[in-house]
Amino acid sequence: EAGVAQSPRYKIIEKRQSVAFWCNPISGHATLYWYQQILGQGPKLLIQFQNNGVVDDSQLPKDRFSAERLKGVDSTLKIQPAKLEDSAVYLCASSLVGGSAKNIQYFGAGTRLSVL
Amino acid sequence: QKEVEQNSGPLSVPEGAIASLNCTYSDRVSQSFFWYRQYSGKSPELIMSIYSNGDKEDGRFTAQLNKASQYVSLLIRDSQPSDSATYLCAADSWGKLQFGAGTQVVVTP
Repeated sequence: EAGVAQSPRYKIIEKRQSVAFWCNPISGHATLYWYQQILGQGPKLLIQFQNNGVVDDSQLPKDRFSAERLKGVDSTLKIQPAKLEDSAVYLCASSLVGGSAKNIQYFGAGTRLSVL
Repeated sequence: QKEVEQNSGPLSVPEGAIASLNCTYSDRVSQSFFWYRQYSGKSPELIMSIYSNGDKEDGRFTAQLNKASQYVSLLIRDSQPSDSATYLCAADSWGKLQFGAGTQVVVTP
């Protein structure tokens, strides 16, 4: 079974530029998550999708971050414009169902973003 | 205020010894708890899940949960150099995972 796919693996941009990340979840997984992991910290949830609807985006900086999940499969996360503090690893995860107490999330390899 | 707390380490463990990792959480609504292993530069990998009070064993790993004390732990028996990684504790509240900052474990030969 293929895992969660993410691209690109690495991205270096200058501040105020824009960047986009792509995620393809495990086949059949209805729930998709985007996390931000800053060096030395645990992953922080940015946004959660159930199929193509947003379940939770309370920690998404909406003035610069946006995400979509068209057709309930692939998802893209965009940052525009980027700030220095956005330097982090962006992790995509998926799970079979959301809102379940036994919800197990599987992570992709992540995209390491460096903002200069 | 952090919702999931872990000692950052590093926790240095001799090869063959037991590594003991601790985690506390603040949200009493949390029902499910997970331990993820993260190698440097890699993504988190699930190693244990626990939902009920008590112990759960899987190979060299044992997870312990005490909901009254809001405490979760992970024991790694017969530690190997390949166990050197950061271990993330996560608590699930209504399908949303809250992660701790992780404990770095270093297994020394």
